[in-house]
Amino acid sequence: DAKTTQPPSMDCAEGRAANLPCNHSTISGNEYVYWYRQIHSQGPQYIIHGLKNNETNEMASLIITEDRKSSTLILPHATLRDTAVYYCIVSGGSNYKLTFGKGTLLTVNP
Amino acid sequence: NAGVTQTPKFQVLKTGQSMTLQCAQDMNHEYMSWYRQDPGMGLRLIHYSVGAGITDQGEVPNGYNVSRSTTEDFPLRLLSAAPSQTSVYFCASSQTTGTTDTQYFGPGTRLTVL
Repeated sequence: DAKTTQPPSMDCAEGRAANLPCNHSTISGNEYVYWYRQIHSQGPQYIIHGLKNNETNEMASLIITEDRKSSTLILPHATLRDTAVYYCIVSGGSNYKLTFGKGTLLTVNP
Repeated sequence: NAGVTQTPKFQVLKTGQSMTLQCAQDMNHEYMSWYRQDPGMGLRLIHYSVGAGITDQGEVPNGYNVSRSTTEDFPLRLLSAAPSQTSVYFCASSQTTGTTDTQYFGPGTRLTVL
């Protein structure tokens, strides 16, 4: 599976959009981009995933560049409860054997 | 649905002791897995199962055994605990192994080996 690169930490003001970047320059054609988050001490929680089209659900939007070498997770109106470590994962062929790196610690400030 | 449940929530063992971490899901999911998370690190896959009676090794399987006799349960056994196994253990499940299926994680078991 392709490796991903994320900034170790980011800050965001409550109520503003949080834009979390992820680089995956070696992604191959059949690999999906998944985003999970982990709120302190809890199990990871699925957020969204995509292949090449932009995706949106009730939690977030996922923007994947046309060359698929990077993506951005957007939380449109961040709240304090969105403070968590966000993991960008690239995986193909199956949704298991996901490799969780260190992720990005997003801190939402009041 | 209770989702994915794990017991116990906390456990302290002495080096050399054995124990079983329990994981159960009530969603009739085909796929289940075990991860460990060391402080400040991401999750690493220990073992996984694609169905009852079928298990396979993940990235860090040494020192752990698993079995899958039913769809619902996927216990993780530590045969002889070592301090290096101090970690938080997460169990996960998904309906299938398809790329579009979400993994659901349990709340974790915090294990300390002295």
